[in-house]
Amino acid sequence: GAVVSQHPSWVICKSGTSVKIECRSLDFQATTMFWYRQFPKQSLMLMATSNEGSKATYEQGVEKDKFLINHASLTLSTLTVTSAHPEDSSFYICSAARTGTNTGELFFGEGSRLTVL
Amino acid sequence: DAKTTQPPSMDCAEGRAANLPCNHSTISGNEYVYWYRQIHSQGPQYIIHGLKNNETNEMASLIITEDRKSSTLILPHATLRDTAVYYCIVRVGEYGNKLVFGAGTILRVKS
Repeated sequence: GAVVSQHPSWVICKSGTSVKIECRSLDFQATTMFWYRQFPKQSLMLMATSNEGSKATYEQGVEKDKFLINHASLTLSTLTVTSAHPEDSSFYICSAARTGTNTGELFFGEGSRLTVL
Repeated sequence: DAKTTQPPSMDCAEGRAANLPCNHSTISGNEYVYWYRQIHSQGPQYIIHGLKNNETNEMASLIITEDRKSSTLILPHATLRDTAVYYCIVRVGEYGNKLVFGAGTILRVKS
């Protein structure tokens, strides 16, 4: 149980284009999901908290107009990197909090590797 | 959330127990200790969590000191597949509370 899936696993795009990454909780509902970014040899950096049916909460320094987050259902959150540039190349990882748990463990997707040319 | 301190790296022989320490001297009474690991180029994997009692599951054991200022994650019989970065995170165990990662410990299991 507690499976989180991301799609695509990897994507290559041209500079200036937009890329959408999906995060799905396959066997549970998640009111809250989180998006992280990880550069090579660094730890995960939290980008934003995604709440079903409401606006996402972004961490300090993360541009909300560049990283659009939509959480339209209890099993799906999407991250759109708009007007991507080479510096946006990174490993993007989502996680979901299973509704009903009271101790807050999170479950992570496999990650999506974005390369912007 | 309380900060944690972990050694940057550790080595362990295959088949032996791997004991990964974590210091969290400023932990509050309502904060849990969580352990996750990240194998190269994958998303983090939940391992175990606890509040004050020792915990065990199919993956590992978590030993928390009586004063809760430190803990140890034990992998009883490490295999090469356990080579990963291990993160110890302390935070309030409420639904929807975010998880902030530190640098973690790189565990290298060697044959």
